[in-house]
Amino acid sequence: GAVVSQHPSWVICKSGTSVKIECRSLDFQATTMFWYRQFPKQSLMLMATSNEGSKATYEQGVEKDKFLINHASLTLSTLTVTSAHPEDSSFYICSATPTSGGLFIAKNIQYFGAGTRLSVL
Amino acid sequence: AQSVTQPDIHITVSEGASLELRCNYSYGATPYLFWYVQSPGQGLQLLLKYFSGDTLVQGIKGFEAEFKRSQSSFNLRKPSVHWSDAAEYFCAVGARAAGNKLTFGGGTRVLVKP
Repeated sequence: GAVVSQHPSWVICKSGTSVKIECRSLDFQATTMFWYRQFPKQSLMLMATSNEGSKATYEQGVEKDKFLINHASLTLSTLTVTSAHPEDSSFYICSATPTSGGLFIAKNIQYFGAGTRLSVL
Repeated sequence: AQSVTQPDIHITVSEGASLELRCNYSYGATPYLFWYVQSPGQGLQLLLKYFSGDTLVQGIKGFEAEFKRSQSSFNLRKPSVHWSDAAEYFCAVGARAAGNKLTFGGGTRVLVKP
């Protein structure tokens, strides 16, 4: 249980275009999802907290107009990198926290997707 | 504000030897503590967690961690390392509320020598 699917796993795009990354909780509902950015050989940096049915909460220094987050359902959050530039190239990882626990699913745990590698040319 | 320090950036260990990864945290109250492992180009997998109770926590893949409140530490250990344990390990602290965000340490990269 507690599978988080992230799609695509790798995307290459031209500078100036927008890219959408999906994060789905496959076997649980998640009121809260998180989006992280990770540079090579570095730790995870929280970008924003995504709450179902409400606006995302962005961390200081993260441009909300640049990184659009939508959490339209209890199983799906999307991150759209708008007008991407080479400096946006990074590894983006999402996580989801179950709304309720289950046999193989624990509350208060963040379950992570496999990440999306974005390369902007 | 909460923070996590992993003093060792790299650790090299021989296969079959024991492994200990250090983690120190700063938090105003008793936190939730986690260890995650990340293989190259992958997301994070939860190894173990501490919420309350027994301070020695058993996790997956033969890992264990001990919460020491007096030292603000949550060190990860494994008695005998396998080559497949080569990865990046992250310690994280979270607030005691469902869905609260995590603060990650800088990570420790483990290399396993044959």
